[in-house]
Amino acid sequence: AQSVTQLGSHVSVSEGALVLLRCNYSSSVPPYLFWYVQYPNQGLQLLLKYTTGATLVKGINGFEAEFKKSETSFHLTKPSAHMSDAAEYFCAVRPNSRGSNYKLTFGKGTLLTVNP
Amino acid sequence: DGGITQSPKYLFRKEGQNVTLSCEQNLNHDAMYWYRQDPGQGLRLIYYSQIVNDFQKGDIAEGYSVSREKKESFPLTVTSAQKNPTAFYLCASKGTSATGELFFGEGSRLTVL
Repeated sequence: AQSVTQLGSHVSVSEGALVLLRCNYSSSVPPYLFWYVQYPNQGLQLLLKYTTGATLVKGINGFEAEFKKSETSFHLTKPSAHMSDAAEYFCAVRPNSRGSNYKLTFGKGTLLTVNP
Repeated sequence: DGGITQSPKYLFRKEGQNVTLSCEQNLNHDAMYWYRQDPGQGLRLIYYSQIVNDFQKGDIAEGYSVSREKKESFPLTVTSAQKNPTAFYLCASKGTSATGELFFGEGSRLTVL
């Protein structure tokens, strides 16, 4: 079984400050990991994904995430927050194995607020 | 442009009425999904279809039905048996890469009065 825990349902930062959104996962096999962003009343957009290889993954809009197997974590960061980053962010996991039914498991989301 | 189109964007219905949400994709993807989103609960899988004429229940299928007669289309019917249908509904399709990331439509917000 797989699961995703996003620590903090709401994170608030000042414009220009570091953004850190936390995601921990559990998976019985090596996982694929994803971060999605959702703006109000819109669908989800893929920010970045971890497959295999390099553990530091760069995505769109200046975001990056680091896969840490020992900590079962995939935290999302951005060095300097912009007002346009205000949105809800979802972490998701899928087993990296043959026979997987391709179902992603999503975390409950973290709402990011950016203060001027 | 290729993508996933959901309609309508907003829908109001009276209690006891069935409602059908449309989802069309021109990405040539085989697999399609329906999720329900409620505040603070993330995304919950309702139904998914990996190929035409086949679909499986997700985690919260009760009160919902789907069909998959064409590759491009995966409509969702919210029936009167669904006890709390007011929610934001998201349709997605799975890309062709091995990692299996999903591509989402813009969503449909259903409000039952």
